[in-house]
Amino acid sequence: EAQVTQNPRYLITVTGKKLTVTCSQNMNHEYMSWYRQDPGLGLRQIYYSMNVEVTDKGDVPEGYKVSRKEKRNFPLILESPSPNQTSLYFCASSLRPDRPSYEQYFGPGTRLTVT
Amino acid sequence: KNQVEQSPQSLIILEGKNCTLQCNYTVSPFSNLRWYKQDTGRGPVSLTIMTFSENTKSNGRYTATLDADTKQSSLHITASQLSDSASYICVVSASNAGNMLTFGGGTRLMVKP
Repeated sequence: EAQVTQNPRYLITVTGKKLTVTCSQNMNHEYMSWYRQDPGLGLRQIYYSMNVEVTDKGDVPEGYKVSRKEKRNFPLILESPSPNQTSLYFCASSLRPDRPSYEQYFGPGTRLTVT
Repeated sequence: KNQVEQSPQSLIILEGKNCTLQCNYTVSPFSNLRWYKQDTGRGPVSLTIMTFSENTKSNGRYTATLDADTKQSSLHITASQLSDSASYICVVSASNAGNMLTFGGGTRLMVKP
């Protein structure tokens, strides 16, 4: 089954404790991205990757890191989480989002709380 | 700066009624426009995708329209059901390198019995 998986689905952590949210897709997609969603603000892109070893900042990259060592995985790293990073995070993948025939698939979301 | 504005922000309708959601965009160069449905706490799911040359596309009770001249799109929901209660997000894609996707803030729809 074609899917995007994220782990963990729920995480409560404390300020400053490094964490990683994993994202994996099994569709051989080139493009992967991370979003955060906060009430009243909609989805905002954190980072995206056009392919292996190619990553770039989205609209809200501060406080986050990513890596794309393999095509299928795109982990999101919070080196020193802060309470303002409490949010619902989504990973997504597609072949190329600018091509209308290529669908973008979203993961199930990771709800992160930083205390 | 590329922008996508959606209206209304929220909407309450009675089951069985129709409704129309709006999306205005300033994204260039335009590639395609997508409507997504997002249930609370879950990832968005695609409803329709339209290119510059398409002015209407249907997916069951969902019909999207696109006016590329005025840079407006609408999503019409016919004979609403309780399961239509969700957020609807308009996403516009640019056909250039770099950050290609611009998301609207969404319309939160509640269908009441």
